[in-house]
Amino acid sequence: GAVVSQHPSWVICKSGTSVKIECRSLDFQATTMFWYRQFPKQSLMLMATSNEGSKATYEQGVEKDKFLINHASLTLSTLTVTSAHPEDSSFYICSAREPRTDNSPLHFGNGTRLTVT
Amino acid sequence: EDKVVQSPLSLVVHEGDTVTLNCSYEVTNFRSLLWYKQEKKAPTFLFMLTSSGIEKKSGRLSSILDKKELFSILNITATQTGDSAVYLCAVGQTSGSRLTFGEGTQLTVNP
Repeated sequence: GAVVSQHPSWVICKSGTSVKIECRSLDFQATTMFWYRQFPKQSLMLMATSNEGSKATYEQGVEKDKFLINHASLTLSTLTVTSAHPEDSSFYICSAREPRTDNSPLHFGNGTRLTVT
Repeated sequence: EDKVVQSPLSLVVHEGDTVTLNCSYEVTNFRSLLWYKQEKKAPTFLFMLTSSGIEKKSGRLSSILDKKELFSILNITATQTGDSAVYLCAVGQTSGSRLTFGEGTQLTVNP
């Protein structure tokens, strides 16, 4: 079945540094990928839609200059958290849909636990 | 504003019990409703529902959608400790591929 791979699975960084998270679709091409954030005991919140070859679409309230998204190929999207602060500590998950049909379910990566100290 | 509401938020049962999880929604241009199970990491797909009244079944899990009343239920029969997880309901719309998630139901099955 379709697999979405996310790396790293966890990262600890110091305040002020930047962290890059990669999301790859392993056996299908994804023109669109989605980035979610999840705080403890809360639901997934969509941050942005990553579009291959064009700019990402950000949800209201998400700072595009802070959360840089690059979708350089049909199998890779990256999320860079710039100048990270402790309040950015969260669980970040990417997802992608197989292009077979318009209504196929989203497949999720295993997520990245970011801790900013 | 699009909204997905799940209830209960938390549920504790004993092994062998049957549980029903609820999901109601208010979204524009509804396309599909999906159920996911989330344990420690990312959600895993359970069901996708697009038509009213057609039950989807997988082992001890089943789900049905009511597009008139705008809700879905997820049933788990003969629960096992391995069913302990957060169950997420999400609604997809016809415009684009984004999903709107509910808050989830934390299910704990005790031996």
